[in-house]
Amino acid sequence: SYELTQSSSVSVSPGQTASITCSGDKLGDKYACWYQQRPGQSPVLVIYQDNKRPSGIPERFSGSNSGNTATLTISGTQAMDEADYYCQAWDTSMVVFGGGTKLTVL
Amino acid sequence: QLQLQESGPGLVKPSETLSLTCTVSGGSINSSSYYWGWIRQPPGKGLEWIGTIFYSGTIYCNPSLKSRVTISLDTSENQFSLKLSSVTAADTALYYCARAIVGTTGGYYYYYYIDVWGKGTTVTVSS
Repeated sequence: SYELTQSSSVSVSPGQTASITCSGDKLGDKYACWYQQRPGQSPVLVIYQDNKRPSGIPERFSGSNSGNTATLTISGTQAMDEADYYCQAWDTSMVVFGGGTKLTVL
Repeated sequence: QLQLQESGPGLVKPSETLSLTCTVSGGSINSSSYYWGWIRQPPGKGLEWIGTIFYSGTIYCNPSLKSRVTISLDTSENQFSLKLSSVTAADTALYYCARAIVGTTGGYYYYYYIDVWGKGTTVTVSS
């Protein structure tokens, strides 16, 4: 079955750029999306179809997907961005989530 | 604004069947534009997709759970449901219902993303 791999944690200083990656076999040939989950809250879609932002998501969130890696980039990271981030793709009629990355802003 | 609300028993005994319902308000589930799904999250762990249903009745399920999962729609009540049979402690989790958008570009590249999530309901499997 298809798998998506994320690093377990990423740390970033406030105002800096955070990059969270998601790896899967030929992931660039599929569409990736990203969810943010703050503690005790439901996930929120922040990027869909590789690089599109839903209404209401700040411009500092951006995405890319090529080769075997999709990347979520947060520019000018703020304390409120501290959360778990999950990538997700669709493969042969199945939804696949990455294991999640905990973003710490310190 | 679309809202989803999960409901069902918070405690289920091992070997029994877990039954949850998602009530949709602010929109109709009888729509060709959206899919409706279930995702769960064990305590302290990541998200696991359970399955998804389309208004036509088409169902997609996680192969690892498929033999135990039943997903159905009740358009008259604007609800959809999940049944998970023969539960064990490993099925203890926060269960979310969600609305998904599924499409294709060029008839080849498929996308699936969840744009609306319920608040989730905790289900504990214990005797």
